[in-house]
Formats: sequence, structure tokens, C-alpha cells
Amino acid sequence: EVQLLESGGGLVRPGGSLRLSCAASGFSFSTYGMSWVRQAPGKGLEWVSAISAYSGSTYYADSVKGRFTISRDNSKNTLYLQMNSLRAEDTAVYYCAKGGTGSALLEYWGQGTLVPVSS
Amino acid sequence: QSVLTQPPSASGTPGQRVTISCSGSSSNIGSNNVYWYQQLPGTAPKLLIYRNDQRPSGVPDRFSGSKSGTSASLAISGLRSEDEANYFCAIWDDSVVFGGGTKLTVL
Repeated sequence: EVQLLESGGGLVRPGGSLRLSCAASGFSFSTYGMSWVRQAPGKGLEWVSAISAYSGSTYYADSVKGRFTISRDNSKNTLYLQMNSLRAEDTAVYYCAKGGTGSALLEYWGQGTLVPVSS
Repeated sequence: QSVLTQPPSASGTPGQRVTISCSGSSSNIGSNNVYWYQQLPGTAPKLLIYRNDQRPSGVPDRFSGSKSGTSASLAISGLRSEDEANYFCAIWDDSVVFGGGTKLTVL
């Protein structure tokens, strides 16, 4: 059974930093691209970032480029999202998802972790 | 404002057939596969339809997807109360692009 478990969310002040983690199990993590998708309260889905399986190529939405960094540790089956210079508009539930590199197929999703950015 | 346009809301009564549209252009829907995601209240999104009209294992055949030209549709037949959710279409256009979402209410 595929499981994606996010952690690391929590209240952070504007300008602050946070690192999200996503522990994956039930599939060959190293062979799949992975993504982060966020959802602001009461709003729709916004793709944030993705990382390819093999080359480790990374992709970012314009709204987070230069502030967020996606990475992965295949030895730990874990995906990360380092978020710096956080803004109020980054407030959202952050989901990790299997896929999202080269196609809009996001086959499995985690339960999400909430990141409120507020002073 | 997404390049994929969905009606913000839709509704139907139990047993009815409902369709949700996703409108785009020749450069997005017209040249890419469309995916649909279902988000039940308070839960994470779930893949519902992939590559325009394919259902993942476990998705009831009451759900069907189609694409024609620059539009795609999600149809739900035999509507049930548990289908009340938000539905999002998505395509790949150098990144994953989501439609704004449609909130389906079962009356």
C-alpha cells in the first residue's frame, strides 16, 4: 500500500523558514518523480514544485521560485521542501504527491500538513 | 486565474447524471491529457480519471471522463450523496496546471 506522510508544518512568522518532509512507502520511491501541491484555506489546488526521479531535475512555480527548494533523499525514501522568506500568501495545506513530472498524473497524495504564516 | 475554466458549482439529486466541464485552449487541453481529481470534504485530493478517460483501480464506473477539442468533461452517473466533493481538472503545461475546481452538491 502506497503511503505518503507529510510532517514539519506549523505556525511561522513572515520572513521565516520551515522544512517540510514527506516519508514515502509502498513503492519504489527512487524511480518516481515527486511533487508538492498546496491549497490555501477555502481555495483551489496550486502546484508548487516537482523533482524528477533520476536526474534530480527540479521545477518550481513562479510564486515560489528563489524561495523554496525541493529535494529528495532516496536512501531514506523522503521528499523535502525547504521554504524560506515565507509570506502570508504561502499559508496553505501542503500535500506531497507521487508523480507530477512530465504529466499531471498525481497518482497518490499524502494527507497534507498545514503551514500558517502569520505574525 | 487558471487557464483551465471550471464552473464553480454544480448540483444534482441522487440517481441523476451530472457533468462537470473543464475548458481550455488548443495549447493546453487540445494538446495534453486531462486528469481529474476528487477532494472529499476535509480530505486530500484523490486521482479520479487519468489520460482523459481512464479510471484507476477502485474508482467506480459511475465516473467517466471525456475530451473533445479544447474541452474535457467529467460525468457522474447514478449520483450518490458521497459524491459531494470538489472536483479539479488538471493538465501538464510545463508544470501541473489545475482548474479552479467545481463544488458538487448532492441535493
